[in-house]
Amino acid sequence: ETGVTQTPRHLVMGMTNKKSLKCEQHLGHNAMYWYKQSAKKPLELMFVYSLEERVENNSVPSRFSPECPNSSHLFLHLHTLQPEDSALYLCASSQGTSGREEIQYFGPGTRLLVL
Amino acid sequence: GQNIDQPTEMTATEGAIVQINCTYQTSGFNGLFWYQQHAGEAPTFLSYNVLDGLEEKGRFSSFLSRSKGYSYLLLKELQMKDSASYLCAVLDSNYQLIWGAGTKLIIKP
Repeated sequence: ETGVTQTPRHLVMGMTNKKSLKCEQHLGHNAMYWYKQSAKKPLELMFVYSLEERVENNSVPSRFSPECPNSSHLFLHLHTLQPEDSALYLCASSQGTSGREEIQYFGPGTRLLVL
Repeated sequence: GQNIDQPTEMTATEGAIVQINCTYQTSGFNGLFWYQQHAGEAPTFLSYNVLDGLEEKGRFSSFLSRSKGYSYLLLKELQMKDSASYLCAVLDSNYQLIWGAGTKLIIKP
């Protein structure tokens, strides 16, 4: 247990569905992240929030929409996804966003399959 | 562009020592991280290096040479539970974390 939880753990959705991924951290951290992990590829950073403000958006398609209502919760809203979006979606948190403060603690991930 | 290189896969024997290398080309440097990721699980933090030299933590050690853009993770007295992927990541000048694709380590009895 890393102190970061994610739900659901597995999700199957059609291309016309709308779903949301939830992440919660119990570590008192100030920064939260969404990553996409595909087989044999580096982790792809999608979004970073620091003190509930979005500070990074790495040109992610608009069909992914993040929401950070407070420093402990992070959501990823999904709509009209494509089969190539099937991957493991990881949430992480860190104390800060520089140096050793950026040691990230990851949740177990949501395995997403888009049909 | 920014790039992190690691071997895709390595095999080692239980009880032995293995060294996993990581080379990087990034815009600036503010630290290097190693994470371990077991199959189907989340990555977990192993080590952080920001100055040149060796950091030892039990059976695991991590080395950094900033002038060579090079790091390695050294695992001693290998155990079967060390079978996992090992991810190298570098914090660049904008404090953005750049990730390698990971090295899958297979431990054989």
